[in-house]
Amino acid sequence: KAGVTQTPRYLIKTRGQQVTLSCSPISGHRSVSWYQQTPGQGLQFLFEYFSETQRNKGNFPGRFSGRQFSNSRSEMNVSTLELGDSALYLCASSPGGGPTGELFFGEGSRLTVL
Amino acid sequence: AQSVTQLDSQVPVFEEAPVELRCNYSSSVSVYLFWYVQYPNQGLQLLLKYLSGSTLVKGINGFEAEFNKSQTSFHLRKPSVHISDTAEYFCAVSDLGSARQLTFGSGTQLTVLP
Repeated sequence: KAGVTQTPRYLIKTRGQQVTLSCSPISGHRSVSWYQQTPGQGLQFLFEYFSETQRNKGNFPGRFSGRQFSNSRSEMNVSTLELGDSALYLCASSPGGGPTGELFFGEGSRLTVL
Repeated sequence: AQSVTQLDSQVPVFEEAPVELRCNYSSSVSVYLFWYVQYPNQGLQLLLKYLSGSTLVKGINGFEAEFNKSQTSFHLRKPSVHISDTAEYFCAVSDLGSARQLTFGSGTQLTVLP
């Protein structure tokens, strides 16, 4: 069974630009969560989508948004990039049913903002 | 809201020695507890989880952890480490209603020395 796939793996943007990151969950998984990982703030929850609906949201500004498609693939978008948005963005999928809490993580998309 | 404290940011240990990585949490509600491992340039992999039942939890790669409710701790242990255990380890919690919204600790870098 293929794991969680994130694209692109690496990207460089400049301040003010926007970026879209993609995540394909494990087949059959209906929940997709996004996390930001930085050296200073560590791992922080961005949002979770289940059946195309945002189910939970972390404490990030409105520049960070996401969506989920009918095939469970998800995208996150960051608009008006700031230097502090440089981070590893991790996507995680789970079956989404019972509260097992186990997340399966992708390898991440490393964003550098210049 | 929950918080997680990993008391040691770096733990060096010699190969075949035992190791304990400490984790304390704070929460006003019942929680699920997890340990994840992150190898360089990779996503996170679940080592073990505590949802309910026996407070001693066994995970992959010979790791185990003990949930101590009175001390709000969930320390990770391994009786004999290998070079391949060198990685960063994250303790995480979630409340029972938001099992996919994890709050992570700041991580502990375990370095196994030959």
